[in-house]
Amino acid sequence: GAVVSQHPSRVICKSGTSVKIECRSLDFQATTMFWYRQFPKQSLMLMATSNEGSKATYEQGVEKDKFLINHASLTLSTLTVTSAHPEDSSFYICSAVPTSTGGTDTQYFGPGTRLTVL
Amino acid sequence: GDSVTQMEGPVTLSEEAFLTINCTYTATGYPSLFWYVQYPGEGLQLLLKATKADDKGSNKGFEATYRKETTSFHLEKGSVQVSDSAVYFCALSGSYIPTFGRGTSLIVHP
Repeated sequence: GAVVSQHPSRVICKSGTSVKIECRSLDFQATTMFWYRQFPKQSLMLMATSNEGSKATYEQGVEKDKFLINHASLTLSTLTVTSAHPEDSSFYICSAVPTSTGGTDTQYFGPGTRLTVL
Repeated sequence: GDSVTQMEGPVTLSEEAFLTINCTYTATGYPSLFWYVQYPGEGLQLLLKATKADDKGSNKGFEATYRKETTSFHLEKGSVQVSDSAVYFCALSGSYIPTFGRGTSLIVHP
């Protein structure tokens, strides 16, 4: 089956530092990947849509200069939280859409990354 | 815009009880509907899906029927197990952006 990995699974950092989270589709190509943020006991909040070879599309209210997204290949998207602060602490989840399906119906989710900013 | 409304949890059941988690939606056009499951500390896994009206999605004993007339996609299972304890998300994909419900926590006691 389609597998999506995220690295790291858990990261603790000091306030003011930057953290990079990788999302990889292991056995399929993904033109489109999504980045979500999930607060405790809440739903997923879509942060941005990442398209290979082009700029990410950010949802309203998401700071593009703070959450840098790079989708450099068909199997890798990265989310960099720049100058992280405690309020950025959250569970970040990515999903990938197989290029072969052509649409957003079939998303495969990564296991998530728990970010804690001290 | 599109939206998904789920019943609030937690839903607490004894093993082998019948499960229903309600989900209703608003959307333009004809969206695909999904149920995802999230186990503690993990990402989301697709549980089942339905792509058009009257379709029934099923997997691992769970099932849900796409009801266009009531704009609903309720999740059911005839006999739950302790291992089913998780958070369940109803979602739709109509316009390009997927939309998720708030999630319903299910707790199953032995």
